[in-house]
Amino acid sequence: AQRVTQPEKLLSVFKGAPVELKCNYSYSGSPELFWYVQYSRQRLQLLLRHISRESIKGFTADLNKGETSFHLKKPFAQEEDSAMYYCALSGGSNYKLTFGKGTLLTVNP
Amino acid sequence: NAGVMQNPRHLVRRRGQEARLRCSPMKGHSHVYWYRQLPEEGLKFMVYLQKENIIDESGMPKERFSAEFPKEGPSILRIQQVVRGDSAAYFCASSPYRVSGNTIYFGEGSWLTVV
Repeated sequence: AQRVTQPEKLLSVFKGAPVELKCNYSYSGSPELFWYVQYSRQRLQLLLRHISRESIKGFTADLNKGETSFHLKKPFAQEEDSAMYYCALSGGSNYKLTFGKGTLLTVNP
Repeated sequence: NAGVMQNPRHLVRRRGQEARLRCSPMKGHSHVYWYRQLPEEGLKFMVYLQKENIIDESGMPKERFSAEFPKEGPSILRIQQVVRGDSAAYFCASSPYRVSGNTIYFGEGSWLTVV
């Protein structure tokens, strides 16, 4: 069975501070990991995926297979980063995403 | 390209009524996925459809829920005899072909409230 755990329901930081949103997963095979972002009841948007190893809006995430983690990081948070962030995993049935419960990030001025 | 369009965005139904949620995929996309997000939960896969075919309905509740994606028109998620526990956000996504999350595009969701 595949599972995604986001241990923090809420995360609040000040503008300019570093931010890390945690994601741990459970999957027996080789997963594909993703981060999605949802701004205030808008559609979910793909933020980044581990395969591409890219940085979007200053965010990065590294897949750590030893720790089964895919934490999302940004060195200097901005107010416009305030949103709901979901970590997701795609396993054997690659069209079926398993989502974590999400972390609501609030960046205070 | 207008993106994945869902309607209605908000729907209120009394217990026992029927709810119909519609999803128009992105232009050129023939694969549709429905996800449900219960309060305080992550999105959960419900069903995957191609035109006129249900490919995987492993996440659909066994009763009262059905989905279709006809040759013409939007995909429809139908919930019969709604109960309070059906109150949730229902997200539709589409892709041009059967692939993983990097090419799945989500709609803005339909919020169902059962009173």
